[in-house]
Amino acid sequence: KQEVTQIPAALSVPEGENLVLNCSFTDSAIYNLQWFRQDPGKGLTSLLLIQSSQREQTSGRLNASLDKSSGRSTLYIAASQPGDSATYLCAVYTSGTYKYIFGTGTRLKVLA
Amino acid sequence: DAGVIQSPRHEVTEMGQEVTLRCKPISGHDYLFWYRQTMMRGLELLIYFNNNVPIDDSGMPEDRFSAKMPNASFSTLKIQPSEPRDSAVYFCASSSEGTETQYFGPGTRLLVL
Repeated sequence: KQEVTQIPAALSVPEGENLVLNCSFTDSAIYNLQWFRQDPGKGLTSLLLIQSSQREQTSGRLNASLDKSSGRSTLYIAASQPGDSATYLCAVYTSGTYKYIFGTGTRLKVLA
Repeated sequence: DAGVIQSPRHEVTEMGQEVTLRCKPISGHDYLFWYRQTMMRGLELLIYFNNNVPIDDSGMPEDRFSAKMPNASFSTLKIQPSEPRDSAVYFCASSSEGTETQYFGPGTRLLVL
């Protein structure tokens, strides 16, 4: 059974810092991995999707990497801004299913 | 496009009452997902539909929960009877064949007293 863990559960950083959020999963037979952002009281917004054959994806100040063999993904945020404050969730799509299994998220606060 | 639409946004009800949550997926999407989010268990998939047909309902917690999709533009999640432990945020999401990106609605925040 696929399990997805995110560390740390919460993170507070000053504006301008570069930061890394971690996601680990137990079953490496994944089809893809997706990073989402969730603002308080809102739904989820997809940030980056990495296919199993890819090593990383970039969008603006965000870079997500994937190491399938070790069951790890990282989301790198460069030059953090207060507007980046949100909860970040990773979700793993395991091969043979049409299901995303979500981690419990990292709650990020960027201080002005 | 208006995105995925859910109603109501907030629901407060008493234990034992029937609760119906509604979802309108993005037009043209043929997959629809219902999720539940709680502090204890995070985001869990309850059920998903493909072309209005339920494909996997293994995440539905009990017989008190049921979901229907009578047409491509409407789905309901019903809880009868509701219990306090059903209190959570319920999300609906949709996607189209050949893509894995799921588009989420704003959620329905349910409180069962």
